[in-house]
Amino acid sequence: DAGVTQSPTHLIKTRGQHVTLRCSPISGHKSVSWYQQVLGQGPQFIFQYYEKEERGRGNFPDRFSARQFPNYSSELNVNALLLGDSALYLCASSLGAGSGNEQFFGPGTRLTVL
Amino acid sequence: QKEVEQNSGPLSVPEGAIASLNCTYSDRVSQSFFWYRQYSGKSPELIMSIYSNGDKEDGRFTAQLNKASQYVSLLIRDSQPSDSATYLCAAGASGGYQKVTFGTGTKLQVIP
Repeated sequence: DAGVTQSPTHLIKTRGQHVTLRCSPISGHKSVSWYQQVLGQGPQFIFQYYEKEERGRGNFPDRFSARQFPNYSSELNVNALLLGDSALYLCASSLGAGSGNEQFFGPGTRLTVL
Repeated sequence: QKEVEQNSGPLSVPEGAIASLNCTYSDRVSQSFFWYRQYSGKSPELIMSIYSNGDKEDGRFTAQLNKASQYVSLLIRDSQPSDSATYLCAAGASGGYQKVTFGTGTKLQVIP
């Protein structure tokens, strides 16, 4: 079975632009979470979506938004990019919504903001 | 105070030795704990989950949880050079959504 997939792999944007990152969860998984990981830090929780509804949001500004589609894939959108948004963006899928569910990460999207 | 704390390392162990990785957490309502391995430039890979006090073994890996001390550890037996990576500890609080907090990770170096 395929694991979590993410696209694109790498992305270079300039300040002020917006970006859309995509994620497809493991087949059968209904929960998708997004994380931001900057160099030397652990992943930081951005959003969780379960059954197409937002179930949790981390401490990120409103420039960050996401949605989940009927096939459980998800998009993360970031508007008005800042230099500090440069990071590895990770998508993780799990069967259920609760924090006891094991999460499996995709390969990530490396975003560079110039 | 960081919610999940790990020593950043690097922790260096000789090949064949036992590597011991430690993690403490501050949120007493945390119910679930995870260890991930992350190679440089790659995404985290789930190694083990643990939910109850005590030990949980899977192959060369043993996770240990002590909720009273708010302490989680990962032991890697017969360490191999391929185990060299950053190990992330994560804690999940109870609740209806996936509030999982990660530590900053411990870098492990296994010396041949």
